[in-house]
Amino acid sequence: KAGVTQTPRYLIKTRGQQVTLSCSPISGHRSVSWYQQTPGQGLQFLFEYFSETQRNKGNFPGRFSGRQFSNSRSEMNVSTLELGDSALYLCASSLSNGRAYNEQFFGPGTRLTVL
Amino acid sequence: AQTVTQSQPEMSVQEAETVTLSCTYDTSESDYYLFWYKQPPSRQMILVIRQEAYKQQNATENRFSVNFQKAAKSFSLKISDSQLGDAAMYFCAYRSAKWRNTGNQFYFGTGTSLTVIP
Repeated sequence: KAGVTQTPRYLIKTRGQQVTLSCSPISGHRSVSWYQQTPGQGLQFLFEYFSETQRNKGNFPGRFSGRQFSNSRSEMNVSTLELGDSALYLCASSLSNGRAYNEQFFGPGTRLTVL
Repeated sequence: AQTVTQSQPEMSVQEAETVTLSCTYDTSESDYYLFWYKQPPSRQMILVIRQEAYKQQNATENRFSVNFQKAAKSFSLKISDSQLGDAAMYFCAYRSAKWRNTGNQFYFGTGTSLTVIP
């Protein structure tokens, strides 16, 4: 079974631009979560989508948004980029089928650099 | 909100020796799950080990084991017989068992960078 894939792997943008990142979860996984990873901050939760609905949201400004499609693929959008948005953005998928626990499977990440 | 603290930003261990990574967390919930994830330099995060809070027995996966102290809210990872491939960033993570209310949100610590010395 294919793992979580993220595109693109690397991205360079300038301040003020917007960017869209894509995540394809493992087949059958309906939950997709996004995290921002920066040195010293660990992983900061952005939001989670389940069955095309945002189920949970972290403490990030409204410039960060996302969506999920009927095939569970998800996109994350950041508008009006700031230098501080430079980070590794990780996507994780899980079954979230109501069982005892749901391990999250991570993608390789998208390295975003804002100049 | 739940918080996860990893107080050791960096650790090192000699190959074949044992090392313990620390993790503490803060929660008012009684039912939850704890995880250790590994992120090698290639960046793909992978699950190392998991623990259900309602289980008193410490989880073990081959050379990896945990010391789960629920009252102390402590969840340390012990790596025995360390190998060069164990070099990575290790993250401790918490997830509520009440996923229907809180979604599938994981709370992560800031990570511990483990170096294995040949």
